[in-house]
Amino acid sequence: EPEVTQTPSHQVTQMGQEVILRCVPISNHLYFYWYRQILGQKVEFLVSFYNNEISEKSEIFDDQFSVERPDGSNFTLKIRSTKLEDSAMYFCASSADQPQHFGDGTRLSIL
Amino acid sequence: AQKITQTQPGMFVQEKEAVTLDCTYDTSDPSYGLFWYKQPSSGEMIFLIYQGSYDQQNATEGRYSLNFQKARKSANLVISASQLGDSAMYFCAMREGPSGGYQKVTFGTGTKLQVIP
Repeated sequence: EPEVTQTPSHQVTQMGQEVILRCVPISNHLYFYWYRQILGQKVEFLVSFYNNEISEKSEIFDDQFSVERPDGSNFTLKIRSTKLEDSAMYFCASSADQPQHFGDGTRLSIL
Repeated sequence: AQKITQTQPGMFVQEKEAVTLDCTYDTSDPSYGLFWYKQPSSGEMIFLIYQGSYDQQNATEGRYSLNFQKARKSANLVISASQLGDSAMYFCAMREGPSGGYQKVTFGTGTKLQVIP
């Protein structure tokens, strides 16, 4: 069965540094999403992307965040200047119909 | 108001017994979908079962069934014959709006299930 793949599985970054999280959605899916899960908390929606633009974003997704689909396969989340509170698990997902398919997540640790 | 409420932060169940994980939801949209996901300690999010708001029958997938009570706005997950590998966090989630390509979901706070040998 096709999968959403995320790299890296774990990223450790110094506070203030830029970080790029990468995702390869399922090839025939048109909608892409990023979610965040702070340790021990619920999963929160960050942003959705369709037709090469953001279709919806949450209040968490401020100017420090950006998303891009640089080529036909990758979907990236960039955090421009990381803060300690950005430490979380970040999930990428894609959909063509229900349910969404989630990647295994990238655990981001900010030092 | 919370869109998805899971009132059980933690549950224990004896191996081979059945367990029900509670979920209530709040939406004014007549078209919506309800999902359950399992998150083991390794962190990945595993889809378990889906129920559409217009589905007449309760959804079932192997040992998982969804007890959908529309008037009560509840969508409880029932796991039959629990196994040690069922120990995990379980999240209820909801998509508001018609089914189709766009599937943004809102998650509940989760229930941590521990299966006792």
